[in-house]
Amino acid sequence: RKEVEQDPGPFNVPEGATVAFNCTYSNSASQSFFWYRQDCRKEPKLLMSVYSSGNEDGRFTAQLNRASQYISLLIRDSKLSDSATYLCVVRHYGQNFVFGPGTRLSVLP
Amino acid sequence: DGGITQSPKYLFRKEGQNVTLSCEQNLNHDAMYWYRQDPGQGLRLIYYSQIVNDFQKGDIAEGYSVSREKKESFPLTVTSAQKNPTAFYLCASSSETLGTPLHFGNGTRLTVT
Repeated sequence: RKEVEQDPGPFNVPEGATVAFNCTYSNSASQSFFWYRQDCRKEPKLLMSVYSSGNEDGRFTAQLNRASQYISLLIRDSKLSDSATYLCVVRHYGQNFVFGPGTRLSVLP
Repeated sequence: DGGITQSPKYLFRKEGQNVTLSCEQNLNHDAMYWYRQDPGQGLRLIYYSQIVNDFQKGDIAEGYSVSREKKESFPLTVTSAQKNPTAFYLCASSSETLGTPLHFGNGTRLTVT
């Protein structure tokens, strides 16, 4: 079993839709959690960190459930520019970052 | 502005040649990383360094070498022993403070023919 797993995708949604990404991690010692987006042939860019109480940044909402070892990302009112691959990333203290395989999103006009 | 600089952006080499990819950061981060990404695939860790003059192998270190003589610099050499070197190489850095994210350079796309 991979340490970080994500929905396999791809997700194809119309503009304006709400889309949710799910991520599970196996190491209960994980302490930091992030969502990155990666555009085709570019480097990953930090979308948002994920905090225990949940956090929101505009149309994006991230949630963390430590008991279930589950992270989610919700995108509301999706735009064409949201089309990308979304990467779930976890880190244990003093250890490396572990990447999920990513979920590709295509927002269609 | 602080950041990570990778050079060159595109690199072409003949099979059998060693090639060195540059990575420099001015974020004052202790930890630096090298990842490899193949088309349609996820990131795989090649090497990482948490302090100057020390580095550890990642998941796919065979055929690669690194050095960390300065905090700011973490060059990666792709040797002729690497069987399939054509890929997108990403350098990243982070601080050791809990909760801080990974910062990436723009990447180097290496093509070996």
